[in-house]
Amino acid sequence: GQQLNQSPQSMFIQEGEDVSMNCTSSSIFNTWLWYKQDPGEGPVLLIALYKAGELTSNGRLTAQFGITRKDSFLNISASIPSDVGIYFCAGQLGGGSEKLVFGKGTKLTVNP
Amino acid sequence: EAGVVQSPRYKIIEKKQPVAFWCNPISGHNTLYWYLQNLGQGPELLIRYENEEAVDDSQLPKDRFSAERLKGVDSTLKIQPAELGDSAVYLCASSLAGLAGEQYFGPGTRLTVT
Repeated sequence: GQQLNQSPQSMFIQEGEDVSMNCTSSSIFNTWLWYKQDPGEGPVLLIALYKAGELTSNGRLTAQFGITRKDSFLNISASIPSDVGIYFCAGQLGGGSEKLVFGKGTKLTVNP
Repeated sequence: EAGVVQSPRYKIIEKKQPVAFWCNPISGHNTLYWYLQNLGQGPELLIRYENEEAVDDSQLPKDRFSAERLKGVDSTLKIQPAELGDSAVYLCASSLAGLAGEQYFGPGTRLTVT
């Protein structure tokens, strides 16, 4: 089945630093999404990307849909303590499939 | 607007016992999903409903898992009998038709099987 390779697995950064994480796949996806999950909660959608090459921002978050449609990255600028959580990438296959495939997540820790 | 509601939030049962989880999606969302999330992993789809029809249940272990969405609104996921390996978080999500990427998740039910 389709798999997403998400890296890094975890990150420990200081408040104010920028963060970058990415997802790669051997499969082509029509949509890339980035979610954040806090402890004890469900994932929350941060950014959705629908076109190859698309660069989209949501506040301090910026994500890009790779040209090959097999990868995506998420950047967080000027991190703050509330950025702590697990970030998941997810890809949606085309061809009428509505299924989302999730990566294993990047656990972000921000030290004040 | 209320989000996706799930209950219970936590459940502890002994193996071989039955268990059921309930989900009420966001009003107007006709697509409903049940996911399984193991510790340290991303969510994995169990079943997807379009209204009351299960359109993708290929990942649902049908020997012990069942689900229903009788009126096309709220849904129930059942496990009978539960096994130790079923301990996980069960997430429900919903979306508008054709916007499967923009799924809204509930808080999940954390199941512990002892």
